[in-house]
Amino acid sequence: ELKVEQNPLFLSMQEGKNYTIYCNYSTTSDRLYWYRQDPGKSLESLFVLLSNGAVKQEGRLMASLDTKARLSTLHITAAVHDLSATYFCAVDRDDKIIFGKGTRLHILP
Amino acid sequence: DAMVIQNPRYQVTQFGKPVTLSCSQTLNHNVMYWYQQKSSQAPKLLFHYYDKDFNNEADTPDNFQSRRPNTSFCFLDIRSPGLGDAAMYLCATRNRQGYEQYFGPGTRLTVT
Repeated sequence: ELKVEQNPLFLSMQEGKNYTIYCNYSTTSDRLYWYRQDPGKSLESLFVLLSNGAVKQEGRLMASLDTKARLSTLHITAAVHDLSATYFCAVDRDDKIIFGKGTRLHILP
Repeated sequence: DAMVIQNPRYQVTQFGKPVTLSCSQTLNHNVMYWYQQKSSQAPKLLFHYYDKDFNNEADTPDNFQSRRPNTSFCFLDIRSPGLGDAAMYLCATRNRQGYEQYFGPGTRLTVT
């Protein structure tokens, strides 16, 4: 059974600081996704990671994938208030896309 | 232009009264998904279609049914909604040969 674990589940950090969200999954997968969700809204796609060693960056967010360790990370650099949201990782295997519990990120001014 | 459209955006139904949620897509994607998301929780996969092949998650209640009459449309039927079925319902699509999964805006269901 495919399981996806994220940590931390809650993160409060100050503007300007760096932090990393971790996503572990239990079985081999076809691809890994990172999403952002604002309160009351749908999901916004951030990154799709396809292969071992993949790294993608957009602004202050950078995602990486280690398929051997079954681990993906989402790194936040010099956080700003606008990045406050819930971040989900999700893993795709045989068309099933299963989500982690999410990390609720609150960035303090 | 909207690519994954869900109707209605807000639905209020009475306890036990059947309700149907709709999803349509302009992307011609072969995989469509229905997720249930309760407050402060992760989206939970209910079922997905690859073309007309239906895949039900083992823990999806029998109360939830789905139809996909053609590539563009997919419906979620809740036969007898309970208070515990109040949630955001998210539809998503993906091209099996592609990478990205596209989400609709969601339908927020309230059960009174």
